[in-house]
Amino acid sequence: KQEVTQIPAALSVPEGENLVLNCSFTDSAIYNLQWFRQDPGKGLTSLLLIQSSQREQTSGRLNASLDKSSGRSTLYIAASQPGDSATYLCAAFHTGANSKLTFGKGITLSVRP
Amino acid sequence: NAGVTQTPKFRVLKTGQSMTLLCAQDMNHEYMYWYRQDPGMGLRLIHYSVGEGTTAKGEVPDGYNVSRLKKQNFLLGLESAAPSQTSVYFCASSLMGLPGYTFGSGTRLTVV
Repeated sequence: KQEVTQIPAALSVPEGENLVLNCSFTDSAIYNLQWFRQDPGKGLTSLLLIQSSQREQTSGRLNASLDKSSGRSTLYIAASQPGDSATYLCAAFHTGANSKLTFGKGITLSVRP
Repeated sequence: NAGVTQTPKFRVLKTGQSMTLLCAQDMNHEYMYWYRQDPGMGLRLIHYSVGEGTTAKGEVPDGYNVSRLKKQNFLLGLESAAPSQTSVYFCASSLMGLPGYTFGSGTRLTVV
């Protein structure tokens, strides 16, 4: 059974800081790894998706990396802004008869002005 | 607008009452999912469907039933609501289970 862990549960940083959010998973036989953003009281918005054959994906100030062998993914946020304050969830995706996403519990990020 | 629409957005139920949550998608996605999100527990899969007329159990199916009579709709039913079912419910869909899930905006359910 896949388990996805995100530590710490909450993080507070000053504006402008570069930061890394960590995600670990126990079953390395994943199809891809996805990062989502969730604002308070809202649904999930997909940020980045890394295929199992890829090492990283970039979108603007966001960069996500994947190391299947060690069961880890990181989301790098450059030059953080107060608007980046949200909960960030990673999710491991498996294909097959039970195709589904397994989510971590998320990291709640607060960027202080 | 294309996407996943959930109704209702908010609901308060009394213990023992029943209700149905509706999820509708207009992207012709085969796969649809119901998740619940609770503080400290993350998102947990309740039921899912890999196509019209099919349903399957997820991690936490007890107390819920689902139906997928039409490809675009996935219904989640609570036959006898319990306070433990107080949660935020999210529906999602994907094309043949491929990456790139689209999520609805959620239904906040309180059972008193």
